Amino acid sequence: GIQVEQSPPDLILQEGANSTLRCNFSDSVNNLQWFHQNPWGQLINLFYIPSGTKQNGRLSATTVATERYSLLYISSSQTTDSGVYFCAVQNNNDMRFGAGTRLTVKP
Amino acid sequence: SAVISQKPSRDICQRGTSLTIQCQVDSQVTMMFWYRQQPGQSLTLIATANQGSEATYESGFVIDKFPISRPNLTFSTLTVSNMSPEDSSIYLCSGITGGNTEAFFGQGTRLTVV
Repeated sequence: GIQVEQSPPDLILQEGANSTLRCNFSDSVNNLQWFHQNPWGQLINLFYIPSGTKQNGRLSATTVATERYSLLYISSSQTTDSGVYFCAVQNNNDMRFGAGTRLTVKP
Repeated sequence: SAVISQKPSRDICQRGTSLTIQCQVDSQVTMMFWYRQQPGQSLTLIATANQGSEATYESGFVIDKFPISRPNLTFSTLTVSNMSPEDSSIYLCSGITGGNTEAFFGQGTRLTVV
């Protein structure tokens, strides 16, 4: 099946810093989504981005489908950004997740 | 977008018992899926819940352990049977309205087996 790799696995930032999270995938996909998992385990949809670039406030994402990667940018990070960020890809019907990036933002 | 209500949100269960998790969607979805997230790990797909027919299970998951029902396009249940401490995980359901659309997730069920 399709492989999804996220990097870095862990990231520690000072509040106010910027960061880039990467997602590589091994095959062409129909869809790609970025999620933030909160401390209670709920997955929050950040971006639905099979290709192109989207922005939502301090967050933006870019997917280059032909090169099989996606990037999530977090600018001016805040402590509330802490948590695990997952990239998930959809090929045919089911969705496969990467291992996640655990982000810690320190005040 | 779809809103998926999942319950219970958490439970503590005795080993050897079973727990049924429910997911209710506020609109019809084409596909529904069940995932398991073991502590500190990513999400692993358990099965695709097919309406009116048997679920399609991923390698390593079997119907006897994780029976799934999907009687209509807005509802599905997952049962974790004959539980052991190794079943302690977060279980999540998701739904999509088509093959190329955004997936939405329930709030998750945090299960602890003692």
